[in-house]
Amino acid sequence: AQSVTQLDSQVPVFEEAPVELRCNYSSSVSVYLFWYVQYPNQGLQLLLKYLSGSTLVKGINGFEAEFNKSQTSFHLRKPSVHISDTAEYFCAVRKRGGGADGLTFGKGTHLIIQP
Amino acid sequence: EAGVAQSPRYKIIEKRQSVAFWCNPISGHATLYWYQQILGQGPKLLIQFQNNGVVDDSQLPKDRFSAERLKGVDSTLKIQPAKLEDSAVYLCASSLAEGPNTGELFFGEGSRLTVL
Repeated sequence: AQSVTQLDSQVPVFEEAPVELRCNYSSSVSVYLFWYVQYPNQGLQLLLKYLSGSTLVKGINGFEAEFNKSQTSFHLRKPSVHISDTAEYFCAVRKRGGGADGLTFGKGTHLIIQP
Repeated sequence: EAGVAQSPRYKIIEKRQSVAFWCNPISGHATLYWYQQILGQGPKLLIQFQNNGVVDDSQLPKDRFSAERLKGVDSTLKIQPAKLEDSAVYLCASSLAEGPNTGELFFGEGSRLTVL
């Protein structure tokens, strides 16, 4: 089984400041890693994913994340946030290899951008 | 490319009534998932289908929830009878079983259920 911990339920940041949203995971098997964003009253949109290869992955809207296997972390970063980045962000893992492989999500981090 | 379609977008019912949600995945996606997202929480997997077979329903409350994907394409999730704690957004997602985008799930906009 897998589990995901998002350490911060809310992160307030001033506009144009950098931000880091933290994610740690636990799994007994190899996993894929994802960050999804959810705007109010909308579905989940993929920001970025780590499948294999380079541990630094870049996504949409200027976000990036780094996979750290030894620390079992996949923190999300953006060097300069915009008011439109206000949303709920979910870290998720998915077991590799097929079978019962639905995403396991963290509880989410609400990113609040202050003008 | 059309995304994952879900209906209805909103539904309000009284407790003990029944409700059904429909999902049409992206064309060609063999795997379909239903998730429950309670306000303030991350989505929780209810059931996973591969074509028309169930792969994982370990977290589905089978005394009141049922789901089917008879022809391996669209799917229906039913709740009968509904309880207050079933108030949530029900998300449908689909994915390719294999290929270059293996790993990614594509989500619909969800069906918001309010049980009074």
